[in-house]
Amino acid sequence: EVQLLESGGGLVQPGGSLRLSCAASGFTFSDNAMSWVRQAPGKGLEWVSGISGSGGSTYYADSVKGRFTISRDNSKNTLYLQMNSLRAEDTAVYYCAKVVVVVWYFDLWGRGTLVTVSS
Amino acid sequence: DIVLTQSPDTLSLSPGERATLSCRASQSVSSYLAWYQQKPGQAPRLLIYDASKRATGIPARFSGSGSGTDFTLTISSLEPEDFAVYYCQQRSNWPLTFGGGTKVEIK
Repeated sequence: EVQLLESGGGLVQPGGSLRLSCAASGFTFSDNAMSWVRQAPGKGLEWVSGISGSGGSTYYADSVKGRFTISRDNSKNTLYLQMNSLRAEDTAVYYCAKVVVVVWYFDLWGRGTLVTVSS
Repeated sequence: DIVLTQSPDTLSLSPGERATLSCRASQSVSSYLAWYQQKPGQAPRLLIYDASKRATGIPARFSGSGSGTDFTLTISSLEPEDFAVYYCQQRSNWPLTFGGGTKVEIK
């Protein structure tokens, strides 16, 4: 079955760190760029970060640049998002999304993992 | 950054009616625009890409049009399962951006 499964969300204090993971199955993971997209409670979608299939190119929204790091392990079919210096405004459901090969639309999404930044 | 403005915020329609949703870009995105549907508690689903191409498995009642800065998503005859929030997204420039969404609700 073609699917994405996120994990690693939870409650973290402001200034803290968290690492999200996304396990992919049912497709050739290394053939596809991948992304993280988030959605604050009751709000719209916000693209966070993207990475090429090889991992050699990475892209970030200005709101997370310098604090978040996207990476992937193609041998494990897994995508990661390392989140440091977390802020209250980072509170959101974080979705892992598969890019249409190298065309930056998202044709497969995970169910999301909730990150709550609060003291 | 390219700002995508969707209108209206909410569309109140009855099943069987035609829905017309708008997405306007702050600068040209050529045809590099997609539309997604999101239902409560679910992840988004890709409907349309490159402005007018239906994604795999998407019913023919969904159609997209436009280029440059003005785009339209049309649902020709609303089915009960079409009541949801719809987002546009551009891939013309980094960073990728989404519109704020249009909610299609039952009248």
